Amino acid sequence: LAKTTQPISMDSYEGQEVNITCSHNNIATNDYITWYQQFPSQGPRFIIQGYKTKVTNEVASLFIPADRKSSTLSLPRVSLSDTAVYYCLVAEGGAGSYQLTFGKGTKLSVIP
Amino acid sequence: GAVVSQHPSWVICKSGTSVKIECRSLDFQATTMFWYRQFPKQSLMLMATSNEGSKATYEQGVEKDKFLINHASLTLSTLTVTSAHPEDSSFYICSEIGTGTDTQYFGPGTRLTVL
Repeated sequence: LAKTTQPISMDSYEGQEVNITCSHNNIATNDYITWYQQFPSQGPRFIIQGYKTKVTNEVASLFIPADRKSSTLSLPRVSLSDTAVYYCLVAEGGAGSYQLTFGKGTKLSVIP
Repeated sequence: GAVVSQHPSWVICKSGTSVKIECRSLDFQATTMFWYRQFPKQSLMLMATSNEGSKATYEQGVEKDKFLINHASLTLSTLTVTSAHPEDSSFYICSEIGTGTDTQYFGPGTRLTVL
């Protein structure tokens, strides 16, 4: 089981770039890495997903080194509304046999 | 991304009663759905995996007779908490993975409070 480890919390000022790193030392060959954002009393919201190297979309970038034992979510120019808990998830298995373990997540607090 | 709805968004019930929570995939067919439970200030804990047309697979420590899961169609999975007790009070979230994708999309969650 690919256990994930993230910092418990991070603080950032508005307008700064925030990088959150997740360790997943036991990631398997077929596993994808997915990041989610969760606000209180809401379901997690998909941010970005990747397998290797770099992925970028309209809200974030995901950097994955060659060994894939970690990944870094990069949020450019955060705002107060980005205050949330961020989870990285490594999905194991294929269709019908998923094993999913959420880590503790990183609580990001954006300060004005 | 996929759109998942849950109903109800919150429910309050008396101890000993049963509560049904619905999870619907609104824009594509979900062969696999997941049910999670989240206690305050904690991470999501996977309860069970629901595959359309077959029995759900429960995680260790989750009572299958207490948390009944039915996935009768590709767009609907239900979780019934039977004989609910105050310790079952939690935030229940479902998610789906559609055919041919490894991406999980989550519903908005259901807050269950058992008095």
